[in-house]
Amino acid sequence: SQTIHQWPATLVQPVGSPLSLECTVEGTSNPNLYWYRQAAGRGLQLLFYSVGIGQISSEVPQNLSASRPQDRQFILSSKKLLLSDSGFYLCAWESSIIAGEADTQYFGPGTRLTVL
Amino acid sequence: AQSVAQPEDQVNVAEGNPLTVKCTYSVSGNPYLFWYVQYPNRGLQFLLKYITGDNLVKGSYGFEAEFNKSQTSFHLKKPSALVSDSALYFCASDSSYKLIFGSGTRLLVRP
Repeated sequence: SQTIHQWPATLVQPVGSPLSLECTVEGTSNPNLYWYRQAAGRGLQLLFYSVGIGQISSEVPQNLSASRPQDRQFILSSKKLLLSDSGFYLCAWESSIIAGEADTQYFGPGTRLTVL
Repeated sequence: AQSVAQPEDQVNVAEGNPLTVKCTYSVSGNPYLFWYVQYPNRGLQFLLKYITGDNLVKGSYGFEAEFNKSQTSFHLKKPSALVSDSALYFCASDSSYKLIFGSGTRLLVRP
């Protein structure tokens, strides 16, 4: 079966510090990968998605970047955090090859980021 | 532009009563529609999806949803609510690798 991991679970960082959040998926190959941010426990904002190694699409220009160094690894980064970067960050994967599973995204447990 | 609307910020229902969480969509072509549930400080859990076929889709935890093309709706339903169903519910539509989410509806089931 497939599983998705995110770490850390919680993070408190000062303004201006760097950020690295990691997401890994097990049990599947060549997944589509996504980063979302959820502010104030409500709406989800798609930040980045990737359909393959080294392929990143950005949805919203901002203080963040994403990378996919390996097939099942997706990293969200920032060089200098802003107060507005606080939120709940969710990674998701979607199978690109399993019949009957197309277009269903499965989410990780999330990372709660607080920027002070 | 494609969009998904959840007109109710919160739905309150008594335990044992039926519940409905509303969702309407505006998409081109044949929509793929989804429902997810989120418990506090957790990721989203997939409940069910409509791709094609039977308009009534059954999902996890006794939930079901009815696709209505003429009303462009995909309401989530459950015949008998449980206190443990209290959570945040999201409707979503697929659009070229991406999911478009509604704003979410908080369901509160009182004992």
